[in-house]
Amino acid sequence: GENVEQHPSTLSVQEGDSAVIKCTYSDSASNYFPWYKQELGKRPQLIIDIRSNVGEKKDQRIAVTLNKTAKHFSLHITETQPEDSAVYFCAASVSGNFNKFYFGSGTKLNVKP
Amino acid sequence: NAGVTQTPKFRVLKTGQSMTLLCAQDMNHEYMYWYRQDPGMGLRLIHYSVGEGTTAKGEVPDGYNVSRLKKQNFLLGLESAAPSQTSVYFCASMETSAREQYFGPGTRLTVT
Repeated sequence: GENVEQHPSTLSVQEGDSAVIKCTYSDSASNYFPWYKQELGKRPQLIIDIRSNVGEKKDQRIAVTLNKTAKHFSLHITETQPEDSAVYFCAASVSGNFNKFYFGSGTKLNVKP
Repeated sequence: NAGVTQTPKFRVLKTGQSMTLLCAQDMNHEYMYWYRQDPGMGLRLIHYSVGEGTTAKGEVPDGYNVSRLKKQNFLLGLESAAPSQTSVYFCASMETSAREQYFGPGTRLTVT
C-alpha cells in the first residue's frame, strides 16, 4: 500500500516568516493530495489540495507544489501568523472506486509572535 | 445542516467490554471513513465505505467491525476492547471521488 512520509515533525518560525512542510509518497498511482490543518482539540479541516495534473496551486498565503517524478509535494505558508499555529497533515489518495487516504504523521507548526 | 456528528464524545471502557461508535452525516455523501489518531502517528484508516451496504478494510482493521446499513450512518464496533485501542477516533465523509473529506468532532476512547 501507499506510504506517506512527512517532515519535519515540528517547525517553529517567527511571525511573518515562511514555513515549508514536505511530504513524499510511494505509490505512483496516487493522484490527489490534500493538506489538512488541525487545531488543538479540533477536527482536521482541509486547507488546500492538488491533483496530479497540476504542478502548483495557490490560495492567498498558502501554496502547494507537486513533483510527480520525485513523488513529493510540499505546503508553503507565507507571512505566517500566530493563528497558523496548528498540526498540519498531508495525505495521498488514488481517485476511483476505493478512495483510500493515507496520511502523513503530521507537522506541529508553532508561529512565535 | 449539522455536517458530520459522532456519538459519544468521550468514553472509558474496561478491557474486554464492547461498544459502538456512531457517525452520522446529513450531506448525502457516498463515502464514509473511520480513522484513529494516536500521538505522532497521524490518522490511520480503520475501515471505510463507498456506499450504503458496503464496507472495506483500511490499514488497521483488526479488533474493529463496521456497518453501513443506512447511507447517512457508519457504525464502528469494538467487540472486546483492549488498552491498545485507546485513541481518538474520527469519522469522515466525502461526496464523491477525490474530494474534501469532512471530519466529525472525534471520540476520545480510553480502555483501562
